[in-house]
Amino acid sequence: SQELEQSPQSLIVQEGKNLTINCTSSKTLYGLYWYKQKYGEGLIFLMMLQKGGEEKSHEKITAKLDEKKQQSSLHITASQPSHAGIYLCGADIEGANSKLTFGKGITLSVRP
Amino acid sequence: TAGITQAPTSQILAAGRSMTLRCTQDMRHNAMYWYRQDLGLGLRLIHYSNTAGTTGKGEVPDGYSVSRANTDDFPLTLASAVPSQTSVYFCASSDVTGGFVEQFFGPGTRLTVL
Repeated sequence: SQELEQSPQSLIVQEGKNLTINCTSSKTLYGLYWYKQKYGEGLIFLMMLQKGGEEKSHEKITAKLDEKKQQSSLHITASQPSHAGIYLCGADIEGANSKLTFGKGITLSVRP
Repeated sequence: TAGITQAPTSQILAAGRSMTLRCTQDMRHNAMYWYRQDLGLGLRLIHYSNTAGTTGKGEVPDGYSVSRANTDDFPLTLASAVPSQTSVYFCASSDVTGGFVEQFFGPGTRLTVL
């Protein structure tokens, strides 16, 4: 779906470096979810954002929601090889409290 | 807790044949979903069910059917498979009780239609 754009499409960083990836919606965001996927595996839930300005952190990963920009950013501090994978954002853009629209995902590689 | 299980893990299917992908969850979630994931296209919703006995169409429902006879199971059927249905299929579930909740995903089924 083009309703959720993720950028950049892919990213290669050196271990220890910080990075930020983005998810931008063309429609109002009623809820935003970040998932991580290892190649060939299922999606693992990272965090959920509901309100504009909301910020959540888990270990070295921080996600923020800018309601006005209809955008969420995910920031990784001091990246590790374990952070490598595909990061997908999913959003409720219908206000239906159930169905999610997903972006195409961002492939992150972390060089040791 | 098993969470969500999918079967088979992978399958090669001749075009024109039918197949049912199985999905079972043990979390008593009311909502369940089927997605397909394709390179360059991301994750797309095929069908969903907000509660047992009801189903709805997602973004790409053509060529697929689902049923939700009970809370735990949500099978996806391809009546007559075509090569464009080659994909990785993910089943997911969530406890939609009026709030924003995460969807839990199964490990996926890799389907190749020849």
